[in-house]
Amino acid sequence: AQTVTQSQPEMSVQEAETVTLSCTYDTSESDYYLFWYKQPPSRQMILVIRQEAYKQQNATENRFSVNFQKAAKSFSLKISDSQLGDAAMYFCAYRSEISQGGSEKLVFGKGTKLTVNP
Amino acid sequence: ETGVTQTPRHLVMGMTNKKSLKCEQHLGHNAMYWYKQSAKKPLELMFVYSLEERVENNSVPSRFSPECPNSSHLFLHLHTLQPEDSALYLCASSLLLAGVNEQFFGPGTRLTVL
Repeated sequence: AQTVTQSQPEMSVQEAETVTLSCTYDTSESDYYLFWYKQPPSRQMILVIRQEAYKQQNATENRFSVNFQKAAKSFSLKISDSQLGDAAMYFCAYRSEISQGGSEKLVFGKGTKLTVNP
Repeated sequence: ETGVTQTPRHLVMGMTNKKSLKCEQHLGHNAMYWYKQSAKKPLELMFVYSLEERVENNSVPSRFSPECPNSSHLFLHLHTLQPEDSALYLCASSLLLAGVNEQFFGPGTRLTVL
């Protein structure tokens, strides 16, 4: 079974600085998808960025980028020029197929709480 | 309404009550999910309805009963719950196609079992 580990329960960063959130995963599959989701306090979880394992190029979405190391099974999220609105829980997730019919699920890590200090 | 909506947003119930959580998606998706989010634990998938099949996590107790009458609506029926069932229950939906299928989440129902 796939597992996702986020080793940093909490992180903090100064506004305008850069922070990196760590994620490692375990899988025997060769092709898969990885995601970072953001859950602000009392607000909906939204997708931040995704990475397809067969793509060697690291995904980038504006100030958010990933460092995907397939051999090491590592998928870290870098937030550049941090803003107050970036404060949230960040979850790393792995997409897993759960039936031959094509149904899927996301396997989540426990999350990292990011605080942005003004 | 847009995206994924959930009602009620907050629910307090006794252990002998019966209640239902409702989820509706307005995105034209063909898969819907229930996740449980407890403090200090990873989000846990409870049920999936997709491609005309239902898949469930075998560790979910029978006091949780899902219902998916159509591709836009999903319910979670609750009965004789325990205090440890208190959690945030998240609904999600996705469009299953070849390739990446992003899941869109609702705001959740915060459930407290007394």
